[in-house]
Amino acid sequence: DAKTTQPNSMESNEEEPVHLPCNHSTISGTDYIHWYRQLPSQGPEYVIHGLTSNVNNRMASLAIAEDRKSSTLILHRATLRDAAVYYCILSPTQGGSEKLVFGKGTKLTVNP
Amino acid sequence: GAVVSQHPSWVICKSGTSVKIECRSLDFQATTMFWYRQFPKQSLMLMATSNEGSKATYEQGVEKDKFLINHASLTLSTLTVTSAHPEDSSFYICSARKGENYSNQPQHFGDGTRLSIL
Repeated sequence: DAKTTQPNSMESNEEEPVHLPCNHSTISGTDYIHWYRQLPSQGPEYVIHGLTSNVNNRMASLAIAEDRKSSTLILHRATLRDAAVYYCILSPTQGGSEKLVFGKGTKLTVNP
Repeated sequence: GAVVSQHPSWVICKSGTSVKIECRSLDFQATTMFWYRQFPKQSLMLMATSNEGSKATYEQGVEKDKFLINHASLTLSTLTVTSAHPEDSSFYICSARKGENYSNQPQHFGDGTRLSIL
């Protein structure tokens, strides 16, 4: 399974943008980049995913490097409810395994 | 949006009893569901992949006779922890993905079941 590397923790202030980085240097051409987040005592929640182009949805934006070896999840205006552990995971679309392998993720703290 | 329901949310029981956890996809069919376990302050660890109509695929180190998985229909998978002991106390989470295998769809997770064995 291709691995991802994320900082253990990050801190942000409320209503400021947050950029959460993820390195995935061994990504294959058919791997999608998925982001999930987990709030305390809850199951993970899907945030966003993409393949090559940058993606936007109501929750966040995903910026993918041209060589696809890294990506950045962007929360445009952090709120206290965004405090969670954010996981960057590679998901294959052919061959390999369909399972998601969770790393340690980045624990985001949002200060009021 | 896709919804996955997990039941019960929490359970406390005595050592030696068996506990069944249900995972349902409420508004879509899922040929494959996944079961995870999460210990405090740790990440999710995949236990097994549940396949509708066939045997589950267990991850290395997970005892298939202890953690029984049944994928009875396209919307229901169950995990039974047999003869549970205090070391089985954990947060159990299921997930399911819409669409065909290897689709572009994300996985959708239940809210988890907190199991405490006394």
